[in-house]
Amino acid sequence: DAKTTQPNSMESNEEEPVHLPCNHSTISGTDYIHWYRQLPSQGPEYVIHGLTSNVNNRMASLAIAEDRKSSTLILHRATLRDAAVYYCILRDVEGNTGKLIFGQGTTLQVKP
Amino acid sequence: GAGVSQSPSNKVTEKGKDVELRCDPISGHTALYWYRQSLGQGLEFLIYFQGNSAPDKSGLPSDRFSAERTGGSVSTLTIQRTQQEDSAVYLCASSLSRGEVGIQYFGAGTRLSVL
Repeated sequence: DAKTTQPNSMESNEEEPVHLPCNHSTISGTDYIHWYRQLPSQGPEYVIHGLTSNVNNRMASLAIAEDRKSSTLILHRATLRDAAVYYCILRDVEGNTGKLIFGQGTTLQVKP
Repeated sequence: GAGVSQSPSNKVTEKGKDVELRCDPISGHTALYWYRQSLGQGLEFLIYFQGNSAPDKSGLPSDRFSAERTGGSVSTLTIQRTQQEDSAVYLCASSLSRGEVGIQYFGAGTRLSVL
C-alpha cells in the first residue's frame, strides 16, 4: 500500500472549521483514500472515503486534489469531541485483504 | 445494534504465561481483523480472517502468536509465553467485506500488561 504523510499535530478552536491535510504522492489509480479517527481510549472509527470526487457525509467532507496526490479532511465546525488522532489511509481496490495500514496520523487538539 | 465486543478490557499477566483475548464481531460480518497498538510501533495489522478462506497471518510478529475464528464468528487471539514487549492494546475489527469500501468497525480493545 502507498505511503501517506500527515502533520504530527494540529490545533483548532471550537466551532471553527478544521482542514487536515494528507499527502500521497505515490497513489495508484486503484487506491481509495480512507480516513479513520481514534478518540482517546477507543478503537479507531471510520470517517469518510473517496476515490476521485469530493465527498460529503454527516461527519466530514473529503476534498481530493485533481491529481490525487493529496487530500484534505474537512471538519466544518470542530467540537471538543472531535479531538482525536486522524489517520489518512490508502486502500487498494484490487487483490488485497483489506487490512488497514496506519501511519502516525495527525493529533487534533480542539480548544474551547 | 451491538458493535464489536472484546474481552477482557484489561489483562495483567506475568512474563511467560499464556493469554487468550476474545473478539465478538458484528453479526453477519464475514471479515475479521486483529491489530495491536503499542507506544513504540503505532497501530499494526496482525491477522485477517475472511469467511472459510485461509487466514492472512502475515502480520503476526512471532510463532508465539496465533488466532482462531470458530464458526465464522467469535475469534480468539492467543499469545504463548508472553514477553514484556507484548504489552499493548489489542484491537479487533470486523467488516461486511474486504473490498476497498469495506468499512471496518473496531472494538474498544484489550489492554495487555505483561509484568
